Amino acid sequence: DTEVTQTPKHLVMGMTNKKSLKCEQHMGHRAMYWYKQKAKKPPELMFVYSYEKLSINESVPSRFSPECPNSSLLNLHLHALQPEDSALYLCASKRSYFTDINEQFFGPGTRLTVL
Amino acid sequence: DQQVKQNSPSLSVQEGRISILNCDYTNSMFDYFLWYKKYPAEGPTFLISISSIKDKNEDGRFTVFLNKSAKHLSLHIVPSQPGDSAVYFCAARLAYSGAGSYQLTFGKGTKLSVIP
Repeated sequence: DTEVTQTPKHLVMGMTNKKSLKCEQHMGHRAMYWYKQKAKKPPELMFVYSYEKLSINESVPSRFSPECPNSSLLNLHLHALQPEDSALYLCASKRSYFTDINEQFFGPGTRLTVL
Repeated sequence: DQQVKQNSPSLSVQEGRISILNCDYTNSMFDYFLWYKKYPAEGPTFLISISSIKDKNEDGRFTVFLNKSAKHLSLHIVPSQPGDSAVYFCAARLAYSGAGSYQLTFGKGTKLSVIP
């Protein structure tokens, strides 16, 4: 199984809603990533988890709250988002923090629309 | 300030011909460069990479060239096939990202269309 799965595929939410994005991998990877990609822009790193601990937070607003409950799962909790947060949210994983970057596997993404 | 630039948002090429996708960078601390391919509704998938100590890396139909003095790299696809139609992202890795984890900086992508 060399797959990173993300659910849901699409999500539409209002600015007062609370929702969560989910990412899962069963490759035994211990580094997991959240990226945000807006239309016609490159993916931008948001968070990095290593061994279930938050290692990098790229100055992301607190309305985005990541969680890594176990080595296979990575969540992104969303609350009080703004319309400009509408984007494709990509999850990625690799074997460890220091594994070669070309061994980073990406999920298909969740397309988020904030109304 | 964009450190990795792909100045062509799109490229159309006839099947069987060569596709050349270009990428420029500004940060001389990048030590590793990668190309990713992305189909609609899928995440980026790794295609080919090159270390800054090399000037060429080849894998089947795909060759990446690096010109360090010009801070320029290119991806050549020969021969191009309709299945190659996708968005191609250039990405670069900093030699040291401060937090101990190698991070990537992506370009905006170039959409390649291979016409049968």
